[in-house]
Amino acid sequence: QQPVQSPQAVILREGEDAVINCSSSKALYSVHWYRQKHGEAPVFLMILLKGGEQKGHEKISASFNEKKQQSSLYLTASQLSYSGTYFCGTVKGYGQNFVFGPGTRLSVLP
Amino acid sequence: DGGITQSPKYLFRKEGQNVTLSCEQNLNHDAMYWYRQDPGQGLRLIYYSQIVNDFQKGDIAEGYSVSREKKESFPLTVTSAQKNPTAFYLCASRQQGFGNQPQHFGDGTRLSIL
Repeated sequence: QQPVQSPQAVILREGEDAVINCSSSKALYSVHWYRQKHGEAPVFLMILLKGGEQKGHEKISASFNEKKQQSSLYLTASQLSYSGTYFCGTVKGYGQNFVFGPGTRLSVLP
Repeated sequence: DGGITQSPKYLFRKEGQNVTLSCEQNLNHDAMYWYRQDPGQGLRLIYYSQIVNDFQKGDIAEGYSVSREKKESFPLTVTSAQKNPTAFYLCASRQQGFGNQPQHFGDGTRLSIL
């Protein structure tokens, strides 16, 4: 079952912050985050495993609340290079298939 | 360097023709995936394979076929039954496990109808 992402799209000015959410109706083992620029393949950002951990990648960080079955991606002091579509992906358990969310389109303007 | 190679980068299909998209990986990954992406849309799963000689249909398998005769290779055939094949096709691979392994993507193949 596909996870839900919100918002569908967001427009920011350079230097502003944004939060992208990913939630599932099923229990999750892990949440993956990817960014895809127009015309290119998705690029892996980070994985969060069960345990409520928080990870960071430059000024991009994320959290995972397994009780609420949701993850949030935090983009701090956004840069023009952050523009793209952000996908979350979820895995429910060992050997289970990987399912992508519908994506959130982020546009950072100068 | 390890990675996933998709070919060709661009492909044109004539009416009634079958075409095959190549995907090769040298990451020694067990699982391989094919996704279709339409302009401005998300990634839709066509087929996936978790082990050699075995594969499962994804959400939009109709009009497509695959094979997994070798661990490294997972070709996708777009058959003439797929009436609207124009899209960006992405192949990915992943080491199966407890969900702590990322998917690695090839650069994609853009398929258009002539």
